[in-house]
Amino acid sequence: NAGVMQNPRHLVRRRGQEARLRCSPMKGHSHVYWYRQLPEEGLKFMVYLQKENIIDESGMPKERFSAEFPKEGPSILRIQQVVRGDSAAYFCASSPGTPGGANEKLFFGSGTQLSVL
Amino acid sequence: RKEVEQDPGPFNVPEGATVAFNCTYSNSASQSFFWYRQDCRKEPKLLMSVYSSGNEDGRFTAQLNRASQYISLLIRDSKLSDSATYLCVGEGGSYIPTFGRGTSLIVHP
Repeated sequence: NAGVMQNPRHLVRRRGQEARLRCSPMKGHSHVYWYRQLPEEGLKFMVYLQKENIIDESGMPKERFSAEFPKEGPSILRIQQVVRGDSAAYFCASSPGTPGGANEKLFFGSGTQLSVL
Repeated sequence: RKEVEQDPGPFNVPEGATVAFNCTYSNSASQSFFWYRQDCRKEPKLLMSVYSSGNEDGRFTAQLNRASQYISLLIRDSKLSDSATYLCVGEGGSYIPTFGRGTSLIVHP
């Protein structure tokens, strides 16, 4: 039973380019969360999705960032026109249950380290 | 006030010591709490859930104090391999899992 799969592990982009980060949840999990971790800081919530729906995007910057979780395929976090401040580790997590429920445990992927030159 | 707060440390303890971390949360309606462990900024891994009655897993004990809105993690007989960052998780707005900044533990020989 494969865990949460994220790719790529490392992504280097120049300022102004686009970054696409992928996440496949654990088998049987339909809830996906994206978190960002800046150096020397904790994990900051970005967005919570279920299949074909964005449930909560209160942590997403209003511009340049978008996320989707299509019916088929992985969840995608897309960052347009990247800037140096976007450099961070981006972690995806999946969960078998809804927030506030007993099955809220998160299982994390190994993350994507984005470096913007 | 941050939704989940932790003392970042570092806590520097000798092998065999007992060490405790606290974490405060602001959402009084929170129902689910967890402790995660993160090594060298790799992915966080679930250490244990925190139940109202408290729970123990080997050398680790987690407790919840709803009146004072904090959770705690106690590690007994510390091992070198316990060195890591310990993240506490509560629920923020809309019950989204919200992480504290993490507490760094260094266990030395």
